[in-house]
Amino acid sequence: GAGVSQSPRYKVTKRGQDVALRCDPISGHVSLYWYRQALGQGPEFLTYFNYEAQQDKSGLPNDRFSAERPEGSISTLTIQRTEQRDSAMYRCASSLGVGKSTIYFGEGSWLTVV
Amino acid sequence: GIQVEQSPPDLILQEGANSTLRCNFSDSVNNLQWFHQNPWGQLINLFYIPSGTKQNGRLSATTVATERYSLLYISSSQTTDSGVYFCAVITGANNLFFGTGTRLTVIP
Repeated sequence: GAGVSQSPRYKVTKRGQDVALRCDPISGHVSLYWYRQALGQGPEFLTYFNYEAQQDKSGLPNDRFSAERPEGSISTLTIQRTEQRDSAMYRCASSLGVGKSTIYFGEGSWLTVV
Repeated sequence: GIQVEQSPPDLILQEGANSTLRCNFSDSVNNLQWFHQNPWGQLINLFYIPSGTKQNGRLSATTVATERYSLLYISSSQTTDSGVYFCAVITGANNLFFGTGTRLTVIP
């Protein structure tokens, strides 16, 4: 596609429910990143993939958070048993190559846990 | 982990003024980018600049990798320049780390 596409753009969920956030990277982009950004803060690294391989998941806050990219294209970030502190914008980004090309961000998915 | 610090944290400018934003990082990096987060939350890529100088209209950026800093220059500022400016670096582990941000407000 023309840019990084994320869905849903806005999600309100009740505490304890599971949510899945989807990212469709720019066509042909090898690397895919997930970030979380709380209001008034900078983006915080969660995890990244090269092709379908999850290279680093050290930023995932706990085991309720997981991500996958099974075919090396679309990725899903899943949050199980959501808590109010999970409320934030979740951003996805992609790039052509690992660490040596421009990284482009999608418009983000706003998650509110009530 | 790597530390990425930006200064100043907040900046208020009169429309038409120039400014310089600074990004210091604590370790060697493979890549550095500047982003503008506009008031609607969009994160827009400004420059991919691991070293050297680039210009794009009223904006320019310089990275001196050996001294571990980068500068973003905004000339003839406009109200649409308002927002938060982030620098972000990629380390040898290929993680992109964001700085603390500079919140810019341009008043007419």
